Amino acid sequence: QVQLLESGGGLVKPGGSLRLSCEASGFSFSDYYMSWIRQAPGKGLEWLSYINGNGYTIYYADSVKGRFTISRDNAKTSLYLQMDSLRVEDTAVYYCVRDHDGAADHWGQGTLVTVSS
Amino acid sequence: DIQLTQSPSSLSASVGDRVTITCRASQSISTYLNWYQQKPGKAPTLLMFSASKLQSGVPSRFSGSGSGTDFTLTISSLQPEDFATYFCQQSFSTLTFGGGTKVEI
Repeated sequence: QVQLLESGGGLVKPGGSLRLSCEASGFSFSDYYMSWIRQAPGKGLEWLSYINGNGYTIYYADSVKGRFTISRDNAKTSLYLQMDSLRVEDTAVYYCVRDHDGAADHWGQGTLVTVSS
Repeated sequence: DIQLTQSPSSLSASVGDRVTITCRASQSISTYLNWYQQKPGKAPTLLMFSASKLQSGVPSRFSGSGSGTDFTLTISSLQPEDFATYFCQQSFSTLTFGGGTKVEI
């Protein structure tokens, strides 16, 4: 079955960096767009970024453009999110999701990122 | 960006009730509208895609309708496991979510 396992979350100071990873299994990873979505505590969902199967089509939400970088390694069936210049408002649970025709049909369990001094 | 407005933001209902949640888009999105359910402390799960198509494994008491700017998610007979927060999401352009509807007892 499809599994998405995020890692890399934690506590970081404002201005710091963090790299999230998502290990995928149970499907042909390179055939799918993948995305990162986040949810601040007690808030709604915010789509951050997506990347197509070969990694050549990438899009970012304005809130993270220029600070976050999405990438993937199809050989390792892994998705990444490099987060730089982190802000307090980036505090959230970050989800790795499989994208199927614009719908997030499978989600990881999420990893918590806390940005605080 | 396309804005999605869900209503109500919360509702109280009882087991067996028929529940309807609406999602309005700021511009026409055809049927590029998906619905998710999220229970506390868990990741969301996909319920409906393309406005009215039921995701595999989702009970048939869930249904979706609409096109253009106005959409609805209906639960025909609310079950105890349906108490959760529901989000709509559009995929017509840059992906965005509605603010959510919390279904409470």
